[in-house]
Amino acid sequence: DARVTQTPRHKVTEMGQEVTMRCQPILGHNTVFWYRQTMMQGLELLAYFRNRAPLDDSGMPKDRFSAEMPDATLATLKIQPSEPRDSAVYFCASGLNQGKTDTQYFGPGTRLTVL
Amino acid sequence: AQSVAQPEDQVNVAEGNPLTVKCTYSVSGNPYLFWYVQYPNRGLQFLLKYITGDNLVKGSYGFEAEFNKSQTSFHLKKPSALVSDSALYFCAVRVSGAGGATNKLIFGTGTLLAVQP
Repeated sequence: DARVTQTPRHKVTEMGQEVTMRCQPILGHNTVFWYRQTMMQGLELLAYFRNRAPLDDSGMPKDRFSAEMPDATLATLKIQPSEPRDSAVYFCASGLNQGKTDTQYFGPGTRLTVL
Repeated sequence: AQSVAQPEDQVNVAEGNPLTVKCTYSVSGNPYLFWYVQYPNRGLQFLLKYITGDNLVKGSYGFEAEFNKSQTSFHLKKPSALVSDSALYFCAVRVSGAGGATNKLIFGTGTLLAVQP
């Protein structure tokens, strides 16, 4: 049963610290997405990769956030420096972009608390 | 602007009764519509999607959704609700970007479904 995995599942850190979240997409999927979920804003798309190339990161605060795909099996989302307002659940999703029938499959999320 | 709206923050229904969770959309071109469910402390799970073809789409766990082009709606339905259906439901629409279709989704704000025993 193929699944998207995310680590860590929970992270508590202090303001100013660097945070790195990792995602392993489903093997064979060629698109990866990072979302942030908060009570106030709901689900927000932060970044979107296809074939490891960033296609859209317009939803991501550029000054402190960065997203990369070092290889096809790993996507990372970094926050440096972290701030209390970054506290949220961060989801990774992957999909297979084959024309029109693509579906995104979500990981379990990383719950980030910045004190 | 491309968007999706879920007009109800919460839907309450008694177990065994039919349920409907509403969704309306606004897109340019043909709509590609999705429903996802989120259980507490879990990621979103895919339920069903409409790409083309029959307006009634059947998905997981007995859910179905009806695509209505004239009303620009894609309501989620189930004939008989279960307590275990209680969760947060998201409608989403695939958006078109420069140069054609993308894999990018816009999600609604979510509707909390509460099924009472």
